[in-house]
Amino acid sequence: GDSVTQMEGPVTLSEEAFLTINCTYTATGYPSLFWYVQYPGEGLQLLLKATKADDKGSNKGFEATYRKETTSFHLEKGSVQVSDSAVYFCALNQAGTALIFGKGTTLSVSS
Amino acid sequence: NAGVTQTPKFQVLKTGQSMTLQCAQDMNHNSMYWYRQDPGMGLRLIYYSASEGTTDKGEVPNGYNVSRLNKREFSLRLESAAPSQTSVYFCASSLRGLAGGGFFGPGTRLTVL
Repeated sequence: GDSVTQMEGPVTLSEEAFLTINCTYTATGYPSLFWYVQYPGEGLQLLLKATKADDKGSNKGFEATYRKETTSFHLEKGSVQVSDSAVYFCALNQAGTALIFGKGTTLSVSS
Repeated sequence: NAGVTQTPKFQVLKTGQSMTLQCAQDMNHNSMYWYRQDPGMGLRLIYYSASEGTTDKGEVPNGYNVSRLNKREFSLRLESAAPSQTSVYFCASSLRGLAGGGFFGPGTRLTVL
């Protein structure tokens, strides 16, 4: 079945460092891909999405490109802030039924 | 516009007790979902309702029942709680399916002793 694999965390960075969180997927068709963020004690918020190959989703300085050839959707940010500390989830959706999530990657940014 | 609301925020149950988690959305969405989040497991789908009057099982439905009361409300019931059901429960909604992502509620943290 469809699945999402994320790099294991936690990821610990200093403020202004470059961030990459790897995400790869397995799917039979052409899924939509998402990154969600969960701040401490809160629910999930949609961070960005891409619906077809080579699409780039971007929001709040984060970006990810849908790479069909490598089945990847890596999350990047050029300069992280302390306020970016959160858990990040990669997810896919196919056939419009439900989101399939990765296990999540915890990011901790220190000043 | 409150979005997706869930009650209660926290709950402690004893093994064998029952309870209902409530979820409501005010965005006129057709589809609603219940997920559970466990450490190191990501989010797993329990049940979903593609539209009013329909419900379907997700990945981990055992031990749960759901009711789509109307277009706004989708409740999750634990008939006889077990320690394995200790988790954080999230409700989500979307206009139709999750091809565009979805809106999540703040979650209910449930502990079963």
